[in-house]
Amino acid sequence: AQSVAQPEDQVNVAEGNPLTVKCTYSVSGNPYLFWYVQYPNRGLQFLLKYITGDNLVKGSYGFEAEFNKSQTSFHLKKPSALVSDSALYFCAVSSNTGGFKTIFGAGTRLFVKA
Amino acid sequence: DGGITQSPKYLFRKEGQNVTLSCEQNLNHDAMYWYRQDPGQGLRLIYYSQIVNDFQKGDIAEGYSVSREKKESFPLTVTSAQKNPTAFYLCASTDRLNTEAFFGQGTRLTVV
Repeated sequence: AQSVAQPEDQVNVAEGNPLTVKCTYSVSGNPYLFWYVQYPNRGLQFLLKYITGDNLVKGSYGFEAEFNKSQTSFHLKKPSALVSDSALYFCAVSSNTGGFKTIFGAGTRLFVKA
Repeated sequence: DGGITQSPKYLFRKEGQNVTLSCEQNLNHDAMYWYRQDPGQGLRLIYYSQIVNDFQKGDIAEGYSVSREKKESFPLTVTSAQKNPTAFYLCASTDRLNTEAFFGQGTRLTVV
């Protein structure tokens, strides 16, 4: 069965500092990994994805994520956090043996302090 | 503009009533999904559909029903059997397995 774990309910960083939001996954077959962001009372917005190729994936708003197959992780990173990055972040996974079913993590709330 | 539209944005239901949430997409996507989000919690999959006239239960399908009569539409009915329906409901669609999901803006359902 597919699963996604986001071990931190909340991440607090100071503006200008680097941020990391953690994600680990479990799938059978090749993983397709995604990060989304959600602002209050809104739907989710796509940030970036890993399908194949370079393990470091760059996405919207300066975010990037690193795929680590041996650690089954896909952590979201940004070199310098902005207050406007404060939001709820979701990691998601699907696989080539899981049909169209996409599974989301529980979400991590990022709080960037000025 | 292509996108996915949910309506209404806010919905109030009396106990014992069935209500239907609308989800329409003009992205020509094959797959559509319904998720439930509770305060401070992640997304839980209710139902998903890979093709017209076919759908599968997700992790929390009890008390919900869906239909997929058209590729563009995937309405969700919250029945009176759902004992705790107050939540934020999100509809999404994907083109293929490895493409990102597009989400609607959500419907907030409240039992009064």
